[in-house]
Amino acid sequence: GDSVTQMEGPVTLSEEAFLTINCTYTATGYPSLFWYVQYPGEGLQLLLKATKADDKGSNKGFEATYRKETTSFHLEKGSVQVSDSAVYFCALTWSGAGSYQLTFGKGTKLSVIP
Amino acid sequence: DSGVTQTPKHLITATGQRVTLRCSPRSGDLSVYWYQQSLDQGLQFLIQYYNGEERAKGNILERFSAQQFPDLHSELNLSSLELGDSALYFCASSVQIADTQYFGPGTRLTVL
Repeated sequence: GDSVTQMEGPVTLSEEAFLTINCTYTATGYPSLFWYVQYPGEGLQLLLKATKADDKGSNKGFEATYRKETTSFHLEKGSVQVSDSAVYFCALTWSGAGSYQLTFGKGTKLSVIP
Repeated sequence: DSGVTQTPKHLITATGQRVTLRCSPRSGDLSVYWYQQSLDQGLQFLIQYYNGEERAKGNILERFSAQQFPDLHSELNLSSLELGDSALYFCASSVQIADTQYFGPGTRLTVL
């Protein structure tokens, strides 16, 4: 079945450091790809998405490019802030049976220190 | 604020009991999804409804059931609760089935 693999956390960075969180996927067909973020004590928020190969999703300084050839959707940010501390989930959705349920990775916890 | 509301925010109950979690989707959204987030299993899809009809089932136990009402709100019923059912339960909604899902704040269930 479909699956998403994320780099293991936790990840600890200093403020203004460069962030990369790796995400690769296995899917039949052509899924849409997402990054969701979960701040402490809160629900999931959509961070960005891409629906086809070579699409780049971006939001709040975060970017990810849908790479079909490497089945990847790595999340990057050029300069992280303390407020970016959260758990980041890579996810995909694809309809093999008429639904579009999200399949999530295990999440990567990011801590940014001043 | 995603526009998806869930009640209650927290729920503490005992093993063997039954609880109902409620979700109100964003205005205009027809599709509702339920997910469970636990430490050992991560985030897992449970069940989906579209415009009142069950659309897809994931890893949902037989002790769990759900429904979507004519006003499009949804309820997830969990019965014969076990310690292992303790988790965060999220509801998400989308306009149509293939559209982006927006999540509610979740209901934290603790089974003692």
